[in-house]
Amino acid sequence: LAKTTQPISMDSYEGQEVNITCSHNNIATNDYITWYQQFPSQGPRFIIQGYKTKVTNEVASLFIPADRKSSTLSLPRVSLSDTAVYYCLVGAIFSGGYNKLIFGAGTRLAVHP
Amino acid sequence: GAVVSQHPSWVICKSGTSVKIECRSLDFQATTMFWYRQFPKQSLMLMATSNEGSKATYEQGVEKDKFLINHASLTLSTLTVTSAHPEDSSFYICSAPSGGAVYEQFFGPGTRLTVL
Repeated sequence: LAKTTQPISMDSYEGQEVNITCSHNNIATNDYITWYQQFPSQGPRFIIQGYKTKVTNEVASLFIPADRKSSTLSLPRVSLSDTAVYYCLVGAIFSGGYNKLIFGAGTRLAVHP
Repeated sequence: GAVVSQHPSWVICKSGTSVKIECRSLDFQATTMFWYRQFPKQSLMLMATSNEGSKATYEQGVEKDKFLINHASLTLSTLTVTSAHPEDSSFYICSAPSGGAVYEQFFGPGTRLTVL
């Protein structure tokens, strides 16, 4: 499983756009990039997943450059409720397969009023 | 999305006793579930992979005789912490994969174990 590197912590203010970058230099051809969010004393929650270029859903965007050695999670107009730990995970996905997830340290995002 | 529940949400026990934690997939079947442990201010650490109808697969360094896992049905996996000690106090979380086109794991709400 490819190792990931993220900033330990980030600070932002309400209404700003937040970009969290994850480095995964050893990503393999079959690996996907997935981001999870975790609030204190709760299980993680899936945010977004992508393989290349850009993916957007109702809560975030994921930007992946052509070399796929990094990815950026973009949270538009954050609010206080976005204060959480964000994990970037990289791993292969195959139909019917149940890959185990290895979590890195994550990025602790603090959103201030 | 799919829902995974855990029971109990928190438990306090005396040192030397055993504690069972249940993980249920409420609206889908899960032949595989995963168990994690998380200490305060730390990341999730994968403990083991629970396989329905077969033995669990433990990660390196996790004592299989201490952390007993039973996956007796397609919707239930249990983790039993045997002879618990204060150092076993932690937040235990289970997850189950969606099995859909997007590989997503659904996590339970976690169980806070405190061993006195």
